[in-house]
Amino acid sequence: GNSVTQMEGPVTLSEEAFLTINCTYTATGYPSLFWYVQYPGEGLQLLLKATKADDKGSNKGFEATYRKETTSFHLEKGSVQVSDSAVYFCALRPYTGANSKLTFGKGITLSVRP
Amino acid sequence: GAGVSQSPRYKVAKRGQDVALRCDPISGHVSLFWYQQALGQGPEFLTYFQNEAQLDKSGLPSDRFFAERPEGSVSTLKIQRTQQEDSAVYLCASSSTLPGLNRSYEQYFGPGTRLTVT
Repeated sequence: GNSVTQMEGPVTLSEEAFLTINCTYTATGYPSLFWYVQYPGEGLQLLLKATKADDKGSNKGFEATYRKETTSFHLEKGSVQVSDSAVYFCALRPYTGANSKLTFGKGITLSVRP
Repeated sequence: GAGVSQSPRYKVAKRGQDVALRCDPISGHVSLFWYQQALGQGPEFLTYFQNEAQLDKSGLPSDRFFAERPEGSVSTLKIQRTQQEDSAVYLCASSSTLPGLNRSYEQYFGPGTRLTVT
């Protein structure tokens, strides 16, 4: 079956530090890959996505590249801010379609201190 | 309000009680998903509707869980005879059947209902 594995957390960084959050996946075929973010007290929001190998998703200074050879979709940001403190989830959908359900990793909590 | 809404936001139930959780999807969204998020875990799929038809209920953990969407818009997730292991955040997401600009069929999530069974 499909699965997503995220690095163990939590992660605590100082403002302006470099961020990497690792994500690997197991799936047949050509899944779409996603990063979702959950800010305190809010619902899940799509942060970025990539739908095919070598695609790079980017948003709000975050980036992730779909690496089929390593089955990875690591999230990076060059300089984190306090406002980036949240829980980050890596997820996949096995195919592009209205009925395609998401499979999530466990999530990782990021805390950024001033 | 154009987003997905859920009610109640918090629910405390005594073990054995029945609960009903409501989801109002984005207007016009045909697809609706329910997910369960246990503490410290990622969301896990429960069930999927296309309009009023429940096309996939493979994630429902037991026959105590029941979901409906009778008119193809609002959906209700019902849990009968709640148990402590049912304590979780229940998330609803909706999406259009029309592909977005990037053909992604993006799912939009509601804020969730936090259920605590005591």
